[in-house]
Amino acid sequence: EVQLVESGGDLIRPGGSLRLSCAASGVIFSEYAMSWVRQVPGKGLEWVSSISGSADNTYYADSVKGRFIISRDNSKSTLNLQMNSLRVEDTATYYCATTWRGFEMWGQGTKVTVSS
Amino acid sequence: DIQMTQSPSTLSASVGDRVTITCRASQSISSWLAWYQQKPGKAPKILIYKASSLESGVPPRFSGSGSGTEFTLSISSLQPDDFATYYCQHYHTYPWTFGQGTTVEVK
Repeated sequence: EVQLVESGGDLIRPGGSLRLSCAASGVIFSEYAMSWVRQVPGKGLEWVSSISGSADNTYYADSVKGRFIISRDNSKSTLNLQMNSLRVEDTATYYCATTWRGFEMWGQGTKVTVSS
Repeated sequence: DIQMTQSPSTLSASVGDRVTITCRASQSISSWLAWYQQKPGKAPKILIYKASSLESGVPPRFSGSGSGTEFTLSISSLQPDDFATYYCQHYHTYPWTFGQGTTVEVK
């Protein structure tokens, strides 16, 4: 059974940094592109960033470009999102998801709150 | 960027009803479209990929159609478990974007 488990969400002040992680099991991790998708409480879904299986290619939404860095460690089946210069508008639940024909498998999400 | 527009935003329906949700893309995305169902407090679940292909394990009462800029998600006979919010999402080119969502509520 495929499992994606996010961690690292927290309450953080504006301007701060946070690192999210997503641990994958039950899947050959390196064969999947992976993504982060976020959802502001009570609002819709927003794609944040994606990374290819080999990590050769990365993609970012304009809203996070230059502040967030996506990475992966295929030896540990782990996906990461380094979030810098956090803003109040980054407050959301962050999901990791396998990425191929859309987002096939999702984690349960981790909450990030940016507030002073 | 490609914008995705869903209609309606809210749909009131009864068990057994046929339900149709529309999604329009601001430019052609061929068939690179997925549909998701999300229930409160839960992660989204993919229902349809490539506009009309049913994800494994999804009941056949769900179907998708369309190509280019116009797409629909249909539920042939609404079941109690289907009251939820539905999103379309294109994966034609980055940035991938979602529609704003359609909430199917009890009439």
